Amino acid sequence: EIVLTQSPGTLSLSPGERATLSCRASQSVSSSYLAWYQQKPGQAPRLLIYGASNRASGIPDRFSGSGSGTDFTLTISRLEPEDFAVYYCQQHGSSLWTFGQGTKVEFK
Amino acid sequence: EVQLVQSGGGLVKPGGSLRLSCAASGFTFSSYNMNWVRQAPGKGLEWVSSISSGSGYMYYADSVKGRFTISRENAKKSLYLQMKSLRAEDTAVYYCARDLRGGWKSFDYWGQGTLVTVSS
Repeated sequence: EIVLTQSPGTLSLSPGERATLSCRASQSVSSSYLAWYQQKPGQAPRLLIYGASNRASGIPDRFSGSGSGTDFTLTISRLEPEDFAVYYCQQHGSSLWTFGQGTKVEFK
Repeated sequence: EVQLVQSGGGLVKPGGSLRLSCAASGFTFSSYNMNWVRQAPGKGLEWVSSISSGSGYMYYADSVKGRFTISRENAKKSLYLQMKSLRAEDTAVYYCARDLRGGWKSFDYWGQGTLVTVSS
């Protein structure tokens, strides 16, 4: 089973700043099967990025994804107040899906 | 508008059973693979199970294999999760989620979640 490790656990930033979230896999992941989700308290997760770098429908262009192999990154170019949330990466392989443990982006 | 409306959660004793339902609308349900994902209180997301559009394949996380069964009724536009031999560690909010079209193996629409509490 592929393990996804996200870092940092918590990111303390101010609105307007750039956020860089990392997702590292224990073995190589197909870029086609790497996704990022945003979750706010009491809400279901929301798909942000699929295929490592494709924005989902309705997602603002301040969100971008990159990476390949074992290292993937979600970047939020300029944080808006509504972006403070928990972010999860997810991968699919060998008929299984796994999530990272999450990165919380909080107000500094 | 795509909607996934869940029902069936609640309090159950250890060793008990429960069936979750997820009613779909706003899209051609029979054309999409579907999934269940859970989240224990204060914890992260955990994939539970997936089923193909025609029920030809079903996959399970090791933590639920042999105890949970995923199924669907395309005519009723409904997804189910039958849970048996429930344990305290199965306590979580359970979400149904639709596969993103195109084989990306990502989940683009999610239900509102339903809480399952396993406790005596």
